Amino acid sequence: SYVLTQPPSVSVAPGQTARITCGGNNIGSKSVHWYQQKPGQAPLLVVYDNSDRPSGIPERFSGSNSANTATLTISRVEAGDEADYYCQVWDSSTVHEVFGIGTKVTVL
Amino acid sequence: EVQLVESGGGLVKPGGSLRLSCVGSGFSFGSYSMNWVRQAPGKGLEWVSVMSSRGGYIYYADSVKGRFTISRDNAKSSLYLQMNSLRAEDTAVYYCARNEVVRGVSHSDLWGRGTLVTVSS
Repeated sequence: SYVLTQPPSVSVAPGQTARITCGGNNIGSKSVHWYQQKPGQAPLLVVYDNSDRPSGIPERFSGSNSANTATLTISRVEAGDEADYYCQVWDSSTVHEVFGIGTKVTVL
Repeated sequence: EVQLVESGGGLVKPGGSLRLSCVGSGFSFGSYSMNWVRQAPGKGLEWVSVMSSRGGYIYYADSVKGRFTISRDNAKSSLYLQMNSLRAEDTAVYYCARNEVVRGVSHSDLWGRGTLVTVSS
């Protein structure tokens, strides 16, 4: 089965840039989506198809995907960005959706 | 208001059954494929099942295949998950999610608040 690898945690100071990676075999050939989840809340889509943002998501959130790593970048981090972030892909070989384990972003 | 609302969760004994429901409103429910995704306490997201808009395809995670059945009634804007032979490891918050398709790729752009299923004796 297809495996997505995320760092368990990332810490960043307010105003700095947070980068959350999502590793997978040739993930650059897939479409990667990113979800933000705050405690007690449902997941929220923040980036889809590698780099597109849903309406209402700040431009501070951006995504990229190449080779074996996809990256979610949060610029000018704010306290409200503290949350768990999950990457997701569709694995056509198993016809399964696959989530990464999630990365907890802590704003120092 | 565009929303999804899940119901049907609760406490069930191992080996028991439960049926979850998800009602969509504010959008054309029958035009979207729908997912069930779950999250065990303190754990990450786990995809459970997907059903296309008219039932043309259905897929399940290996962990639930043969025990869970996804279905829908577009006339009632409703999605269901019949869960049989429940195990302790099925304990989780279960979310339904709407799938939007862009350039042939789907992503979950709308999620419900979830319903908690607890499997315990």
